[in-house]
Amino acid sequence: AQKITQTQPGMFVQEKEAVTLDCTYDTSDQSYGLFWYKQPSSGEMIFLIYQGSYDEQNATEGRYSLNFQKARKSANLVISASQLGDSAMYFCAMRETPGAAGGSNYKLTFGKGTLLTVNP
Amino acid sequence: DTGVSQNPRHKITKRGQNVTFRCDPISEHNRLYWYRQTLGQGPEFLTYFQNEAQLEKSRLLSDRFSAERPKGSFSTLEIQRTEQGDSAMYLCASSPEGISAEQYFGPGTRLTVT
Repeated sequence: AQKITQTQPGMFVQEKEAVTLDCTYDTSDQSYGLFWYKQPSSGEMIFLIYQGSYDEQNATEGRYSLNFQKARKSANLVISASQLGDSAMYFCAMRETPGAAGGSNYKLTFGKGTLLTVNP
Repeated sequence: DTGVSQNPRHKITKRGQNVTFRCDPISEHNRLYWYRQTLGQGPEFLTYFQNEAQLEKSRLLSDRFSAERPKGSFSTLEIQRTEQGDSAMYLCASSPEGISAEQYFGPGTRLTVT
């Protein structure tokens, strides 16, 4: 089973409007973290926002907020007031507890991504 | 701090040749990761270093792949006898200590095997 599911291959939004990108996850860990990254056409992965499984409040970073619903295992990214420069691929990722041999290997498991296009 | 750098940015090679990529992490980061990203997919974990020790390798990392991080600074990823299926973007990331520490990614090396 996929650990991270992003069901929207592509999304369109008008400039200045808000958009929600969906992400659901699957884990049996009690301690985990959820990340969102942006990948423009240049290829570099840019960190946007982080939510820890024990965080009681939803994370916010400027125009980005994370709608964390633990019981539903969802961690949707909300981008407010979209800008043309927001057009990019967006990836949801999860960090689980490292295995015994992995030490402090907090590797990330990524979803397949959502391509966001902001229209003028 | 100039961020994570990777060289080369692009590499085209013929099947059967060996290639080597380099990653220079952010200087104070002791954790270093390699990921591989194929078209239409998210990055997939390949291997992890804590300082100079390689602590975990994915099953994706066949015997043709080897990675090193001498002295816990830069890292190299070598692919021997390249195959067309090795064509992908190879991403390096580093992070500081801390369970919630974000991983900072480099720009990647795009490998094309012809």
